[in-house]
Amino acid sequence: GAVVSQHPSRVICKSGTSVKIECRSLDFQATTMFWYRQFPKQSLMLMATSNEGSKATYEQGVEKDKFLINHASLTLSTLTVTSAHPEDSSFYICSASGGDDYGYTFGSGTRLTVV
Amino acid sequence: DQQVKQNSPSLSVQEGRISILNCDYTNSMFDYFLWYKKYPAEGPTFLISISSIKDKNEDGRFTVFLNKSAKHLSLHIVPSQPGDSAVYFCAASAAGGGNKLTFGTGTQLKVEL
Repeated sequence: GAVVSQHPSRVICKSGTSVKIECRSLDFQATTMFWYRQFPKQSLMLMATSNEGSKATYEQGVEKDKFLINHASLTLSTLTVTSAHPEDSSFYICSASGGDDYGYTFGSGTRLTVV
Repeated sequence: DQQVKQNSPSLSVQEGRISILNCDYTNSMFDYFLWYKKYPAEGPTFLISISSIKDKNEDGRFTVFLNKSAKHLSLHIVPSQPGDSAVYFCAASAAGGGNKLTFGTGTQLKVEL
């Protein structure tokens, strides 16, 4: 089946630094990748949608200059949290879609803690 | 505006019995619905989906029912097993694969021995 690898699974960084999270589709080409954020005991909130080779589409209220998304190839998308602050601490999850036949496959998530 | 709602934050069921998880939606443009299972600190795992042209889809112990007129879907798990204990999210999409999902708030299922 379709596999999406997300790395790192856990990261702790200092306030003001930037963190990059990678999302790779291992056995299929992901035409679209999605980035979600989940706060404790809450739903997954879509942050942005990225299509290979084009700019990401951000959801309302998500700062595109803070959450930089790059989808340079059909198998890799990255989310960079720039100038991280403690309030950015959250669980970030990516998912990838290869089109109608593939549905959506999620990565294992990244727990970001900003201290 | 929560377009997908799971009004029960938690559900407790005895092993072997049926678990019924409910989900309501408000956006009539949604035409594809999915259920995911999620453990803490892990990504969601796909369970089962249903297209709006159907009213039922079954896969092993999991059955999803869709009532379009009521904008309601439910996930039935029978028989429930302790390993089913997790948070279950329903999600909806407006145009099938390749389009963004809107998630419900989740229901914590606990299957007790």
